Amino acid sequence: GAVVSQHPSRVICKSGTSVKIECRSLDFQATTMFWYRQFPKQSLMLMATSNEGSKATYEQGVEKDKFLINHASLTLSTLTVTSAHPEDSSFYICSAGRTYEQYFGPGTRLTVT
Amino acid sequence: GDSVTQMEGPVTLSEEAFLTINCTYTATGYPSLFWYVQYPGEGLQLLLKATKADDKGSNKGFEATYRKETTSFHLEKGSVQVSDSAVYFCALSDLAGTASKLTFGTGTRLQVTL
Repeated sequence: GAVVSQHPSRVICKSGTSVKIECRSLDFQATTMFWYRQFPKQSLMLMATSNEGSKATYEQGVEKDKFLINHASLTLSTLTVTSAHPEDSSFYICSAGRTYEQYFGPGTRLTVT
Repeated sequence: GDSVTQMEGPVTLSEEAFLTINCTYTATGYPSLFWYVQYPGEGLQLLLKATKADDKGSNKGFEATYRKETTSFHLEKGSVQVSDSAVYFCALSDLAGTASKLTFGTGTRLQVTL
């Protein structure tokens, strides 16, 4: 149990376009989901915390208008990278919270050309 | 604020060697502590956890003990295998009982050779 999926696993887009990444908890309901960004050979940086039915809470330094997060249901959260640029290329990981643990998705590799 | 400090990597060991990856933390209150593992090209998987002082988390031959007096949660394994090659992250959560924000260390890459 406690499986989290992400889609797509890899995406390549052109500069200026928008990309949506989905995060789903497959076998449990998650009132809280988290979005992280991981740079090469570095740790995970929390971008935002999303609660079902309410606005996401963004970490300091994360642009709310660029990284749109929607948590429409107890099993789905989406991250949309708007007007993507090469510097947005990264590995994006979501996690879903259940009790005091987080369960991580496999990540999405975004490459902006 | 909360922080986690891990030993610098990479760590290179021969198969069957003993592994220790150091982790210390700074937190207010009584955090829960975790070790996550990330295999190449994959997301993070929870390896083990401890929720209170003196608890020992264990899984797949790995162990870590929550030491409040030294604010440490060192990861150990008696005999590593090539398949253990991965990046290991120490993390803490400052609110027990809820899935709250995790603070991660920078990760330690382990490479096990034959």
